Amino acid sequence: DAGVTQSPTHLIKTRGQQVTLRCSPKSGHDTVSWYQQALGQGPQFIFQYYEEEERQRGNFPDRFSGHQFPNYSSELNVNALLLGDSALYLCASSLAGGSSFNEQFFGPGTRLTVL
Amino acid sequence: AQSVTQPDIHITVSEGASLELRCNYSYGATPYLFWYVQSPGQGLQLLLKYFSGDTLVQGIKGFEAEFKRSQSSFNLRKPSVHWSDAAEYFCALVYGGATNKLIFGTGTLLAVQP
Repeated sequence: DAGVTQSPTHLIKTRGQQVTLRCSPKSGHDTVSWYQQALGQGPQFIFQYYEEEERQRGNFPDRFSGHQFPNYSSELNVNALLLGDSALYLCASSLAGGSSFNEQFFGPGTRLTVL
Repeated sequence: AQSVTQPDIHITVSEGASLELRCNYSYGATPYLFWYVQSPGQGLQLLLKYFSGDTLVQGIKGFEAEFKRSQSSFNLRKPSVHWSDAAEYFCALVYGGATNKLIFGTGTLLAVQP
């Protein structure tokens, strides 16, 4: 059973460009969350997708957008890249269910470098 | 506002020595609390979690943590550290009910001396 997978592993972009990161959830999971982890910091919540809709959003500008597909995989898009967007982007999947917490399983991340 | 504080940025211990990593939280009620470990090039792995009940929780790899409401703390401990424990450790809490939004501390980098 494959866990959470992310692609690509590494990515280098220049300021002003756009980037798309991809995530495939763990088998059976229907919810995908995205986190940004800057160097020396803990992960910060970007947003969460469930049933192909954004369910909650963290304190990130509209340049950050996402999508969830019918097979539950997800994309994170960042437009007009800034140097400060350089970070490790983590995807986590979980199974939605009521009001209780369902463990999030993390992928290895995509390392984005903006020059 | 909800937050997690890990006061120690970097800790070095000798192999075989005991370990305690500190975590303090700010939350309006009793939170769900977690410890994750991140090895270089790896994603986050859940070590243990506290939801309610017994305040001493056991996790994987010989780790345990104790929830102390009076101190708003959830410190991680291990009686004897192995060289393979060298990694970064993150304390986190869940905020947001069904959305399961995790709020992380800034992490503690653990180095293990032979």
